[in-house]
Amino acid sequence: DAGVIQSPRHEVTEMGQEVTLRCKPISGHDYLFWYRQTMMRGLELLIYFNNNVPIDDSGMPEDRFSAKMPNASFSTLKIQPSEPRDSAVYFCASRTGGAYEQYFGPGTRLTVT
Amino acid sequence: GENVEQHPSTLSVQEGDSAVIKCTYSDSASNYFPWYKQELGKRPQLIIDIRSNVGEKKDQRIAVTLNKTAKHFSLHITETQPEDSAVYFCAASPIPGGSYIPTFGRGTSLIVHP
Repeated sequence: DAGVIQSPRHEVTEMGQEVTLRCKPISGHDYLFWYRQTMMRGLELLIYFNNNVPIDDSGMPEDRFSAKMPNASFSTLKIQPSEPRDSAVYFCASRTGGAYEQYFGPGTRLTVT
Repeated sequence: GENVEQHPSTLSVQEGDSAVIKCTYSDSASNYFPWYKQELGKRPQLIIDIRSNVGEKKDQRIAVTLNKTAKHFSLHITETQPEDSAVYFCAASPIPGGSYIPTFGRGTSLIVHP
């Protein structure tokens, strides 16, 4: 298995633009998590899905952020409009229900200028 | 909800020394405590974990200890090597099942000087 796949790996965009981050979880994993990592706040859980259904989005910072999981093998995190304070590394992670370990993707480094 | 505090935020040691990273948690229902290591530019990866029915667990040069009464747990690295340099995250959660959602500490940047 290739592990959790994220794209793009790097994204540079201008303030006000729409940004879409993509994630493919490990096949068979029924939990998917989106995290944001910054120096100031560490690893923050933004939202997680179970069997493609959003369970808890209380970590989503504001309405500019949205996430979807249309099927078991694909999820997106969208920021519209983007702002410089959204600059961070965004990680996707997945695991099976009942398992202990979360498997993280390589992350997307987002820079908003 | 759970709150995990991690200290120190930065730890600098000489090669061969020991390193200790400490975490405290707030929710007495938490009983699973993993540690993740994130090398520079890489993804976090699980290196060791401990469950509440165990007070200590070792794996070669790393060990974790847990004090449920005091609600704190620690990561110990002995004979540190330059390749141990990374950011280490602790986390706390109820035992995995449908509700396993770990709360992470803010991370400790460990620097091992040759």
